[in-house]
Amino acid sequence: GQNIDQPTEMTATEGAIVQINCTYQTSGFNGLFWYQQHAGEAPTFLSYNVLDGLEEKGRFSSFLSRSKGYSYLLLKELQMKDSASYLCAVLDSNYQLIWGAGTKLIIKP
Amino acid sequence: GAVVSQHPSRVICKSGTSVKIECRSLDFQATTMFWYRQFPKKSLMLMATSNEGSKATYEQGVEKDKFLINHASLTLSTLTVTSAHPEDSSFYICSATPGTPSSGAYFSYEQYFGPGTRLTVT
Repeated sequence: GQNIDQPTEMTATEGAIVQINCTYQTSGFNGLFWYQQHAGEAPTFLSYNVLDGLEEKGRFSSFLSRSKGYSYLLLKELQMKDSASYLCAVLDSNYQLIWGAGTKLIIKP
Repeated sequence: GAVVSQHPSRVICKSGTSVKIECRSLDFQATTMFWYRQFPKKSLMLMATSNEGSKATYEQGVEKDKFLINHASLTLSTLTVTSAHPEDSSFYICSATPGTPSSGAYFSYEQYFGPGTRLTVT
């Protein structure tokens, strides 16, 4: 079966750095997405990785290791507005997005 | 760019009635649209994939006669919840992508989400 694992909840302090991990087992791989979802709102796109390595975009970075079936989202200089759920999703061999359950990130002052 | 609208944002209906939710891509042509439902504190659950001009592909366990999907144009897809019951109460989200599986570019698969519709069936 296809499976995406990420922690259910994480807590971090404003101004700090947090890393949200995602491991996956899917039938084929055509890329991995990270989305941010605030409570009661639709997800918004953060990043896409298809090759191994780190992609940096401002305060957010995303890393991929295809051989390990592993990705992480790194958030720096955390702000209160970063409190949200972060969803990991993998595009499988049929170009269908397989979604993780999401990681709820709580930022404390 | 890449804006998707969804209407209505909230709807309350009585058990046994039908509700139609519209999803529109405002500034691009959406070859493919997706319908999701999301329960509180849970991830997105894909209900169906619709391609313009063809029948929707439903995920296992989703009743196609209960959740009617129409993708009549490249900018509009509708989801009709027929004979709604309280257990149908949920957050329904649509997304759209401009690409097709043959295009090969990642941006074709980036899904642009609508703001969601909160359905409450009493």
